[in-house]
Amino acid sequence: QVTLRESGPALVKPTQTLTLTCTFSGFSLGSTNMCVGWVRQPPGKALEWLALIDRDDDEYYTTYLKSRLSISKDTSKNRVVLTMTNMYPVDTATYYCARLPGSGYNWNAFDYWGQGILVTVSS
Amino acid sequence: DIVMTQSPDSLAVSLGERATINCKSSQSVLSSSNYKNHLAWYQLKPGQPPKLLISWASTRESGVPDRFIGSGSGTDFTLTIGSLQAEDVAVYSCQQYYSTPFTFGPGTRVDIK
Repeated sequence: QVTLRESGPALVKPTQTLTLTCTFSGFSLGSTNMCVGWVRQPPGKALEWLALIDRDDDEYYTTYLKSRLSISKDTSKNRVVLTMTNMYPVDTATYYCARLPGSGYNWNAFDYWGQGILVTVSS
Repeated sequence: DIVMTQSPDSLAVSLGERATINCKSSQSVLSSSNYKNHLAWYQLKPGQPPKLLISWASTRESGVPDRFIGSGSGTDFTLTIGSLQAEDVAVYSCQQYYSTPFTFGPGTRVDIK
């Protein structure tokens, strides 16, 4: 059974750095052609893909947030960590981690998602 | 970046009637290597994570009712809900996974008339 769960702070202050952890089970990032990515959804707005990491530690980022994002993984602990620097109120959103089977040669859809974590940016 | 657009923004359909949602990509998402359209449809409900309904433009995920039908190729795609049920009230979003950065459509809200 594949599961993913996001953890991290529910509230961050403007200019702070957000660190979110995705802990997953039911698959491995080490031995299969799998990736884990992050997607966010501001209240009442559309989904927005943020970042992705694959088995080989290749990192992919959305264009306009690339300078603020960093994604990493700990294969032995089945965890993926996303950091976003210099948080603004407009970054208030539900942040999801999701599994993506495949690789840069053949992407696939996000098939399993965590429940999401609402992160509010406010002083 | 590939821009995804959807139409309409929202629609209201009577129970049992058909709902049709359109999705357009700014460039083709048809791969020349696997001859597949890298296009997915998700169902979004409040308080729940997105649910993958259809991948490869027309392949239903396991457990998805057969009233959900995906079609289209290249840059133009359609999600049809063949006979709307009450539990289908949601926002539906398309996504291209042809290339990074992956991009989603703005979503189409489906309600009961």
